Amino acid sequence: DTGVSQDPRHKITKRGQNVTFRCDPISEHNRLYWYRQTLGQGPEFLTYFQNEAQLEKSRLLSDRFSAERPKGSFSTLEIQRTEQGDSAMYLCASSDSTTGGSLSYGYTFGSGTRLTVV
Amino acid sequence: GEDVEQSLFLSVREGDSSVINCTYTDSSSTYLYWYKQEPGAGLQLLTYIFSNMDMKQDQRLTVLLNKKDKHLSLRIADTQTGDSAIYFCAERGGSYIPTFGRGTSLIVHP
Repeated sequence: DTGVSQDPRHKITKRGQNVTFRCDPISEHNRLYWYRQTLGQGPEFLTYFQNEAQLEKSRLLSDRFSAERPKGSFSTLEIQRTEQGDSAMYLCASSDSTTGGSLSYGYTFGSGTRLTVV
Repeated sequence: GEDVEQSLFLSVREGDSSVINCTYTDSSSTYLYWYKQEPGAGLQLLTYIFSNMDMKQDQRLTVLLNKKDKHLSLRIADTQTGDSAIYFCAERGGSYIPTFGRGTSLIVHP
């Protein structure tokens, strides 16, 4: 297992288009998180899944954003009708809650997908 | 809601120690983390500390936690140019959702 993978690494899209990003977490990890990071800011929480269930969504996640994790493995984040304000780095992270000790090991992040809306 | 604050910049000379500070507001925080982010990359977990600990040492890294003041620090001994990066403090309470600070940009100069 090579860690958390995100695809694509970069995406340039025109305003109004839809985009979809993919995240493949560490295979043993049952929790998957999406964060957004803009320049000069820390990661801001968007949503997270435990297995296939989406357990929490941030108020940052407008109706144009939707995330899925259909089989409890990979996840997709779709942004519809993109706006220039959506330009950011979208980070995925995973963690394992199934063993008590691993709760302390933090969250493993992918390299992110940088979205530029022009 | 939870809030995590960090100073934005720190400049040190190679070979000196660096101390990066963080304050947080969530009194229910159970784990606190330090992450490192290099340009164009994701976040790399450096170390973590459980809230019932005061100190944790891991090679060149020392984490100090003052739970009463909700203050966390990361000390990097013998700072090298390869340590130049942005360092994020994060805390996690019962919600399992970590909250991050804005990051401290560490610049190491010869």
